Amino acid sequence: GESVGLHLPTLSVQEGDNSIINCAYSNSASDYFIWYKQESGKGPQFIIDIRSNMDKRQGQRVTVLLNKTVKHLSLQIAATQPGDSAVYFCAGGISNFGNEKLTFGTGTRLTIIP
Amino acid sequence: EPEVTQTPSHQVTQMGQEVILRCVPISNHLYFYWYRQILGQKVEFLVSFYNNEISEKSEIFDDQFSVERPDGSNFTLKIRSTKLEDSAMYFCASRPIQSSYEQYFGPGTRLTVT
Repeated sequence: GESVGLHLPTLSVQEGDNSIINCAYSNSASDYFIWYKQESGKGPQFIIDIRSNMDKRQGQRVTVLLNKTVKHLSLQIAATQPGDSAVYFCAGGISNFGNEKLTFGTGTRLTIIP
Repeated sequence: EPEVTQTPSHQVTQMGQEVILRCVPISNHLYFYWYRQILGQKVEFLVSFYNNEISEKSEIFDDQFSVERPDGSNFTLKIRSTKLEDSAMYFCASRPIQSSYEQYFGPGTRLTVT
């Protein structure tokens, strides 16, 4: 079956520095990936997605890199701010005419140090 | 900005009781989902729903679970006879159109079974 996981459960970064959160997946069936941010007591919040036929996608202050050779995904957050402190999940999906389920990884807790 | 809403925010119930968790997805969305997150663990897919029927369900979604969209706006998850291990955060999500990957999550309902 498909599984999506993360390398590190916690990450602390100085405010203003860049953060890199990593994710590994074992099943090549996922044809897209999404990064979600979850703040305490809230539901997952969409950050950015990437199709499996891409290797990089940029958003506002965020970049997602996909390396299909080693089945690795990363989320880079530039110039981190205190509001970036949260748990970050990667999730993989398989396009199925809208009936996609997302398979989530275990999450990395990002703490921004002032 | 439209958002997915869920009620109640916290539900406490006794083992063996029935619970109904309610969600109001974003109004023009077509695909609906329930996920759960046991404390400290990853988000797990339960069920997807489209065109008034279940599209896919996970192994977790056994005969004790059911979903319904009774009136075109609400989307409910019913657990017929709750067990201690059903204690978790339950998230509803919705998705607008087939070509968009983003699933919009609600804030969740914390279910505590005693």
